[in-house]
Amino acid sequence: GAVVSQHPSWVICKSGTSVKIECRSLDFQATTMFWYRQFPKQSLMLMATSNEGSKATYEQGVEKDKFLINHASLTLSTLTVTSAHPEDSSFYICGGGNNEQFFGPGTRLTVL
Amino acid sequence: GIQVEQSPPDLILQEGANSTLRCNFSDSVNNLQWFHQNPWGQLINLFYIPSGTKQNGRLSATTVATERYSLLYISSSQTTDSGVYFCAVDPFSGGYNKLIFGAGTRLAVHP
Repeated sequence: GAVVSQHPSWVICKSGTSVKIECRSLDFQATTMFWYRQFPKQSLMLMATSNEGSKATYEQGVEKDKFLINHASLTLSTLTVTSAHPEDSSFYICGGGNNEQFFGPGTRLTVL
Repeated sequence: GIQVEQSPPDLILQEGANSTLRCNFSDSVNNLQWFHQNPWGQLINLFYIPSGTKQNGRLSATTVATERYSLLYISSSQTTDSGVYFCAVDPFSGGYNKLIFGAGTRLAVHP
């Protein structure tokens, strides 16, 4: 199957700072990638669809100015959590693929 | 939007037992996948199964698209099967392969 990497695997930051998470497709080209958020003991909630060379598409209720997505190449999508607050602490996972979807290992964000 | 319901929400098994996990979805889909989320959060692909039946070792899955459900069978369960099993569907959303996840089935296999 396809391989997706994420970096960092975990990050702790202070409230008010910004955090960037990278998602890379290692063995396929991804015109779209997907960002999910998972709170403890809950399911994965789709946040946005990252589109190579164009604006991301956000799901209802997700603040596009807070969660900045950039998809500058066919192998890299980034999610920046701006002015992070404790309620943004969560597990963030990215995924992509041509038909079958594959997911990165996730990034655990803790905002103090 | 599409609804994805998984049952049971929790399942406890003795090692060696068999189980069936169910996923119902409320509308037609392009794609359906089953995942196992391990304790570190990694989603492991089990099946890509928009229709039909597939088997992989002790696991098998069946999707009946016309009746909008899928089943995941685990036979001779092992402690390493513990974790959360998610069903996810790609609704006919026009061009994207985005997946909508069910709430999951939390499986614990005891020795």
